[in-house]
Amino acid sequence: EAGVTQSPTHLIKTRGQQATLRCSPISGHTSVYWYQQALGLGLQFLLWYDEGEERNRGNFPPRFSGRQFPNYSSELNVNALELEDSALYLCASSDKRTSDPSGEQFFGPGTRLTVL
Amino acid sequence: AQTVTQSQPEMSVQEAETVTLSCTYDTSESDYYLFWYKQPPSRQMILVIRQEAYKQQNATENRFSVNFQKAAKSFSLKISDSQLGDAAMYFCAYKGGSEKLVFGKGTKLTVNP
Repeated sequence: EAGVTQSPTHLIKTRGQQATLRCSPISGHTSVYWYQQALGLGLQFLLWYDEGEERNRGNFPPRFSGRQFPNYSSELNVNALELEDSALYLCASSDKRTSDPSGEQFFGPGTRLTVL
Repeated sequence: AQTVTQSQPEMSVQEAETVTLSCTYDTSESDYYLFWYKQPPSRQMILVIRQEAYKQQNATENRFSVNFQKAAKSFSLKISDSQLGDAAMYFCAYKGGSEKLVFGKGTKLTVNP
């Protein structure tokens, strides 16, 4: 069974540009989560999508947005990039229909975004 | 808001020895889950062990076990018979009703041969 995949692996942008990061969840998983892992700040929750809808949002400005497609893959968009957006962006997926009440989240390898 | 604190930025252990990583959390929820995730240098996070708050029995997964003290809001990870492959960043995480994971800042574990 294929795990969570993310593309691209690395992304280099300049200040003010837009970045688009993509995530494919594990087959059958309907929930996708995005986290930002910035140096010194640890992992912070960005967004949660389930069944095509945004269910929860972390404490990030509106220029961080995303969507989930009918096949449950997801896209994270970051507009008007700032230097402090440089980070590893991790995507995770979970299966809301499973009998596992803890809702384990399975992580992808991440996209390293560098803003120059 | 829930918070998770890992007070040990770095730890080291000799191969085959035992090491304990600390984690404390703060919450007003009564129903939640706690996790330890491992992030090796290749960076893919994997789940090591989980604990349901309503279970008093400490979770165990092979060489990994937890000491869950609900009243003290403490959730430490014990790694027995440490192996070189255990070297990684370890993150303690909390999940309550909001579905999102709240992470600690991590502990970098070095295993010395």
